[in-house]
Amino acid sequence: DIQMTQSPSSMSASLGDRVTITCRASQDIGNYLSWFQQKPGKSPRRMIYGATNLAAGVPSRFSGSRSGSDYSLTISSLESEDMAIYYCLQSIQYPWTFGGGTKLELK
Amino acid sequence: QVQLQQSGTELVKPASSVKISCKASGYTFTSNYMHWIRQQPGNGLEWIGWIYPGNGNTKYNQKFDGKATLTADKSSSTAYMQLSSLTSEDSAVYFCARLGTEDYWGQGVMVTVSS
Repeated sequence: DIQMTQSPSSMSASLGDRVTITCRASQDIGNYLSWFQQKPGKSPRRMIYGATNLAAGVPSRFSGSRSGSDYSLTISSLESEDMAIYYCLQSIQYPWTFGGGTKLELK
Repeated sequence: QVQLQQSGTELVKPASSVKISCKASGYTFTSNYMHWIRQQPGNGLEWIGWIYPGNGNTKYNQKFDGKATLTADKSSSTAYMQLSSLTSEDSAVYFCARLGTEDYWGQGVMVTVSS
């Protein structure tokens, strides 16, 4: 199975901060990488697909990038509604695998 | 509008089975894959597998072979997942989701395995 190593597992940041979360894939996954946001008690919501594409309705402060086998989700200016857990997902090979999650909290 | 309505909370005994449902509406049920995802308490997400209701084809995460069985009823636009030989490790929230160009998720079903 492809391992998705996500870092950090948790972080705290202030409103307006630039925040970056990273996933490293254990094998080549091309751009088959998505980022999901999950708030407490809610279903996940896809934010980024294809490593760099913003999903419909997602604010433009979110962006995705790739450098080799490292994939990043960046929030350019943190807002209170962004507090959540974020997961990456690779969908190039079965079984699809998620990263362990990053809990983003307000400092 | 597209909706995935899942069945309610389940409290089940160890070694038993449970079947949870996911009723789809607002789109062509038979033309879209239905995925199932597990979230254990305080843990992350695990992909269980998918079913294509149009022909009943399935794809499973090998980890769930023998544990999860995915089926679909075209007449009622409902997908099902049966979990068997339940242990405390199966206590989790289970989501159905239509993942694609647009995603839709059910609200999740909490399954608690306890004697």
